[in-house]
Amino acid sequence: DAEITQSPRHKITETGRQVTLACHQTWNHNNMFWYRQDLGHGLRLIHYSYGVQDTNKGEVSDGYSVSRSNTEDLPLTLESAASSQTSVYFCASSESLGRNEQFFGPGTRLTVL
Amino acid sequence: DAKTTQPPSMDCAEGRAANLPCNHSTISGNEYVYWYRQIHSQGPQYIIHGLKNNETNEMASLIITEDRKSSTLILPHATLRDTAVYYCIVTLYNFNKFYFGSGTKLNVKP
Repeated sequence: DAEITQSPRHKITETGRQVTLACHQTWNHNNMFWYRQDLGHGLRLIHYSYGVQDTNKGEVSDGYSVSRSNTEDLPLTLESAASSQTSVYFCASSESLGRNEQFFGPGTRLTVL
Repeated sequence: DAKTTQPPSMDCAEGRAANLPCNHSTISGNEYVYWYRQIHSQGPQYIIHGLKNNETNEMASLIITEDRKSSTLILPHATLRDTAVYYCIVTLYNFNKFYFGSGTKLNVKP
């Protein structure tokens, strides 16, 4: 069955380290998204991509970057991790051409010490 | 994108209908209403969406008022497994960006 996976599921890192969170989907969806969710809050959009080589900033993009070299993957990189980036990160994907149902991954819990 | 307002929490008895309201008074004519839910710490799950007509699927019904300024998600027979945070989102159909608010925590009680 097609799916969307994230790895690692849990990560502990230190301030200043570079961290990359992986997101892989097998639906061949053009659109992919990264969100963060802080305790007791809704999801906030970090970056999104409408296709290969396309990336766009969301509402909380500072300190994060993404690259889209193929359809299946959208890795999220924290260039220099900060304690404020401790959060749960969700990746999602959706078809293009107007079908906006987003399918979410299981999430990655990141702790920055 | 239009903003949405939802009550922070609601209770519902198991087996009863759960009616979750959402206000979106600034919605524009080409914006859709989407509902997602998040069970515990899992990724959000799509429930239903609509433009101006009422919609129904195997999970829920969506009732949108004639002026489109508010909507109600109806879970016809709530179960304990429906306990979750429910998010109402308004977005352009082709815009592909969702802005999640704080949602409504639905507590289904036996």
